[in-house]
Amino acid sequence: GAGVSQTPSNKVTEKGKYVELRCDPISGHTALYWYRQSLGQGPEFLIYFQGTGAADDSGLPNDRFFAVRPEGSVSTLKIQRTERGDSAVYLCASSLNPVLNTGELFFGEGSRLTVL
Amino acid sequence: QQQVKQSPQSLIVQKGGISIINCAYENTAFDYFPWYQQFPGKGPALLIAIRPDVSEKKEGRFTISFNKSAKQFSLHIMDSQPGDSATYFCAASNDYKLSFGAGTTVTVRA
Repeated sequence: GAGVSQTPSNKVTEKGKYVELRCDPISGHTALYWYRQSLGQGPEFLIYFQGTGAADDSGLPNDRFFAVRPEGSVSTLKIQRTERGDSAVYLCASSLNPVLNTGELFFGEGSRLTVL
Repeated sequence: QQQVKQSPQSLIVQKGGISIINCAYENTAFDYFPWYQQFPGKGPALLIAIRPDVSEKKEGRFTISFNKSAKQFSLHIMDSQPGDSATYFCAASNDYKLSFGAGTTVTVRA
């Protein structure tokens, strides 16, 4: 497909477990973002990649959260020792040129994480 | 700390009516103000956007009004249709990072 692809679409896990969420951005988009959307709220910024490097990880809530983008395309958000408060929809987005600040982020459908 | 405040939380409008959603911001460095539309189970999608050098922008039935001195902007949906039923988010940015409002759920009754 031509859009941003996220897997899994749903993930149910137990408190304390490790989780990986994957994002496949639109081909050619160098910028990749992770946002978190809690129920009834707007998306909140987590991390921004330009190419392979994390240019801004200031939104990651704590050191249990980590994200990688080793080849500048697919990204994985990793959450260690999950807590019930981590339950949310994790949205991935990509854009062609963030430097122009167009705000045109293309979002995936999200990965819904439920921590029991 | 929410940088963009959005109201109302929800609204119901009759088909053909006008939906109005308001947002306010504090950070005067923001220079880009997009609106995103989100359907249940989907990611947000860009609807319309404005920069602060323009007071109004219209695209089809959707209009953004921008008041720089008041640090407020709003979305007007004219001739609302059942297919417009969705959650709408205002956002603001001065770089690559978007700050979103909490969202407004719009229900259009046929």
